Amino acid sequence: TQLLEQSPQFLSIQEGENLTVYCNSSSVFSSLQWYRQEPGEGPVLLVTVVTGGEVKKLKRLTFQFGDARKDSSLHITAAQPGDTGLYLCRQGGSEKLVFGKGTKLTVNP
Amino acid sequence: ETGVTQSPTHLIKTRGQQVTLRCSSQSGHNTVSWYQQALGQGPQFIFQYYREEENGRGNFPPRFSGLQFPNYSSELNVNALELDDSALYLCASSLLQARDTGELFFGEGSRLTVL
Repeated sequence: TQLLEQSPQFLSIQEGENLTVYCNSSSVFSSLQWYRQEPGEGPVLLVTVVTGGEVKKLKRLTFQFGDARKDSSLHITAAQPGDTGLYLCRQGGSEKLVFGKGTKLTVNP
Repeated sequence: ETGVTQSPTHLIKTRGQQVTLRCSSQSGHNTVSWYQQALGQGPQFIFQYYREEENGRGNFPPRFSGLQFPNYSSELNVNALELDDSALYLCASSLLQARDTGELFFGEGSRLTVL
């Protein structure tokens, strides 16, 4: 089973700041997904990346897939309190359907 | 809202008891996956069901078992509960054919506390 390492584990910032969180593996992903989970709810898909070097944007969120397809990053510009949540990456193409442990983001007003 | 519903939302059991959790999948989805999520951690894959058959299993003991019904709804059963089984249990529905890039649609989970 591949392991997905996410960093940082915790992040607390002020509204308006920028941030980047990471998802890494020693193995190649066939695809990778990012989910956000708010307290008391299940995770919700933000994006799927498939091609090495791919960049996708979702409003203030920018997702990048590494050229070698072993890592990914999520950058948030001008964070807002509504961005607070647990950000999870998940590998595709695996029977084990592995998630990382997540980055818990808190954006303070 | 994803259309995936789980019941019960919260429950409390004592060590050694048995529990059954239920999940109704999103319309049109043929696959249900179950996850265990401890507080502050990512979801851990328990198993997946496709067309009423188990289609993959994570590192969980046999006392974790499941069923999928013809309407694609599913149950998770846990026997001989242990304190460490306290967690949020998430059900996710999807299309197996899209497993490489397909989206998982999660329910809100069942919060199990074992005393």
